[in-house]
Amino acid sequence: KNQVEQSPQSLIILEGKNCTLQCNYTVSPFSNLRWYKQDTGRGPVSLTIMTFSENTKSNGRYTATLDADTKQSSLHITASQLSDSASYICVVFRNTGFQKLVFGTGTRLLVSP
Amino acid sequence: KAGVTQTPRYLIKTRGQQVTLSCSPISGHRSVSWYQQTPGQGLQFLFEYFSETQRNKGNFPGRFSGRQFSNSRSEMNVSTLELGDSALYLCASYQGQNSYEQYFGPGTRLTVT
Repeated sequence: KNQVEQSPQSLIILEGKNCTLQCNYTVSPFSNLRWYKQDTGRGPVSLTIMTFSENTKSNGRYTATLDADTKQSSLHITASQLSDSASYICVVFRNTGFQKLVFGTGTRLLVSP
Repeated sequence: KAGVTQTPRYLIKTRGQQVTLSCSPISGHRSVSWYQQTPGQGLQFLFEYFSETQRNKGNFPGRFSGRQFSNSRSEMNVSTLELGDSALYLCASYQGQNSYEQYFGPGTRLTVT
């Protein structure tokens, strides 16, 4: 069964601290993996995209890692800011099949002053 | 280039009524997908359209329907609304049939009372 599981479900951190969000997937055939940031009441916005051969990719203070062997990805946020408060959704894209996008249920991050 | 737009942004309906939501994709994008997002279930795929043809449909009852027009704009309709239909409905557009670069709109928040 194609599934994406994210942990933790929710997280509270102090402004300026770092955090890491986890994503485990059992999706095949794998095409790529994306992390999205979704502010409350808004649509998701893509942060990073990683293909099978990529281990690390950064976008400002966001760094995503991918281990295709263990089917795990992480999103590391450095020096968190209040504006980082949002839901972070891991999405795995399949090459073929009925449903090409498999969504995780997200991690809700709250950055506290 | 303007992003994906969805109207209305907020909607309140009562049980048994029907509702139509609209999505205008990014100019040049011919594919549109619709998703339902609820706190417990995360993002659930509804349907996908390309060039006015429905290509895929998710596991939703027949009360959920959609269509795409020749200008790529899309509408989705929900008839005989139920309380459980309360959700954020997201539309995403992309260029071709197999592009994974999906851009999400801001969503329509539907509340059924």
